Amino acid sequence: QSVLTQPPSASGPPGQSVTISCSGSSSNIGSNTVNWYQQLPGTAPKLLISNNNQRPSGVPDRFSGSKSGTSASLAIGGLQSEDEADYYCAAWDDSLNGYVFGTGAKVTVL
Amino acid sequence: EVQLVESGGGLVKPGGSLRLSCAASGFTFTDAWMSWVRQAPGKGLEWVGRIKSRGSGGTTDYAAPVKGRFTISRDDSENTVFLQMNSLKSEDTALYYCAWVTSVPSVMSYWGQGTQVSVSS
Repeated sequence: QSVLTQPPSASGPPGQSVTISCSGSSSNIGSNTVNWYQQLPGTAPKLLISNNNQRPSGVPDRFSGSKSGTSASLAIGGLQSEDEADYYCAAWDDSLNGYVFGTGAKVTVL
Repeated sequence: EVQLVESGGGLVKPGGSLRLSCAASGFTFTDAWMSWVRQAPGKGLEWVGRIKSRGSGGTTDYAAPVKGRFTISRDDSENTVFLQMNSLKSEDTALYYCAWVTSVPSVMSYWGQGTQVSVSS
């Protein structure tokens, strides 16, 4: 089972902002950087945010990441219909000596 | 252009074996750390394991559910990474993705489209 906990869903009308939380522990988020992945329906995951808050080339600046202690957050500003997807946080876990994903959050644009 | 193309998936009986391949192109494979990630039907992402580049020791790490049953290897001459899966269980049924770890130890910037593995009698 996932060791990083996310809310199962988040939603908002177009143009609104939503925030997805990711709760971990001292062995993962507390001691390593957090990455976020976006998975559009029927497609492979895509790197959205790396190293807590870095956007890869091509990712709109509407997406932003932050980390504090053993938790992290992904904010999506100005929701657009194409943002409907599943979002996963992830981090290396020193205790498990493995990479762990969050439970995933489904974003719906109302 | 970076491309990762998985192959080798299929239907296998419990206890059986399967070998997945991931052919890479568009980057210097010999320097690349590679990972496998799977996704069971309707479920979230689960990391399976990784292999470091030969320059970093070429060692492997695995998730607990597959340790001892799965083996990741690489052929740098063919720009290919493999996932040998033995003693397969029904819970191994999933779409298996390979990914390029572009920033060690864990940033997976490029992913393949996946290959489906179904374990059923």
